[in-house]
Amino acid sequence: QVQLVQSGAEVKKPGASVKVSCKASGYIFTSYDINWVRQATGQGLEWMGWMNPNNGDTGYAQKFQGRVTMTRDTSINTAYIELSSLRSEDTAVYYCARAPQYGNWGQGTLVTVSS
Amino acid sequence: DIQMTQSPSSLSASVGDRVTITCRASQGIRYYLAWYQQKQGKVPKLLIYGASTLQSGVPSRFSGSGSGTDFTLTISNLQPEDAATYYCQRYDSVPRTFGQGTKVDI
Repeated sequence: QVQLVQSGAEVKKPGASVKVSCKASGYIFTSYDINWVRQATGQGLEWMGWMNPNNGDTGYAQKFQGRVTMTRDTSINTAYIELSSLRSEDTAVYYCARAPQYGNWGQGTLVTVSS
Repeated sequence: DIQMTQSPSSLSASVGDRVTITCRASQGIRYYLAWYQQKQGKVPKLLIYGASTLQSGVPSRFSGSGSGTDFTLTISNLQPEDAATYYCQRYDSVPRTFGQGTKVDI
C-alpha cells in the first residue's frame, strides 16, 4: 500500500533552517509529483509547492519563493522540503502529499519556531 | 492567482440532515476540484476528485458536483462521524489553492 512517512518534530530558533523528509513506499516514487502543504494551529491548509521526483523540477508558491527548496533522493525514495529564515509564523504542521489529487498524505511534521 | 472561496465558513446540522457546502473559483478550473475532510488533529482525507468522483472507500452519502467556477459538496443523511472541517482545492494548475474551510458541527 502507498505510504508517505515523514521525519519527526523539529524545534528551531528564528532565523534558522529546517529540513523535513518524506519517504515514499508502495508505488513508483518517480511517477507522481510530491506536493507540500502546511497548517498552522487552528488555521486552514496552505499549499507550498510541488516537486517532480523524476527530473527534480519544482514550483513554489509565491509566498515562499526564495525561502523554500524541495529536493529528492531517488535512491531512497525520499522527498525533502527545506525552509530557511524561519520566523514564528512558520510554526505549523508540514505535510507531504502525492499528487495529482492528494489521496495519500504523510502523517505530518510539527515544526516549532521559538526563541 | 485564482482564489477559492468556500461558504459557509461554518454550519451546525443534525444527524440525518442534508448539508451543502459551496466552493467558488475566481476563474474557471474546469473539473479539477477536490474535496477533503479533516477531523480534529488528523491528516486530511480525500473525499472527491474531478469535482464529482468519489474516492475509493468514501461513503456514498458524500457527493460532489459542478464545473468551471461553481462547485458543491453534499452530505446526505449526515452522521455524527461527519463532524469535521471540509476543504476544496483546485488542481488544474499552480498554485493549488485551498478554500478557507467549512467547519461542520453536529
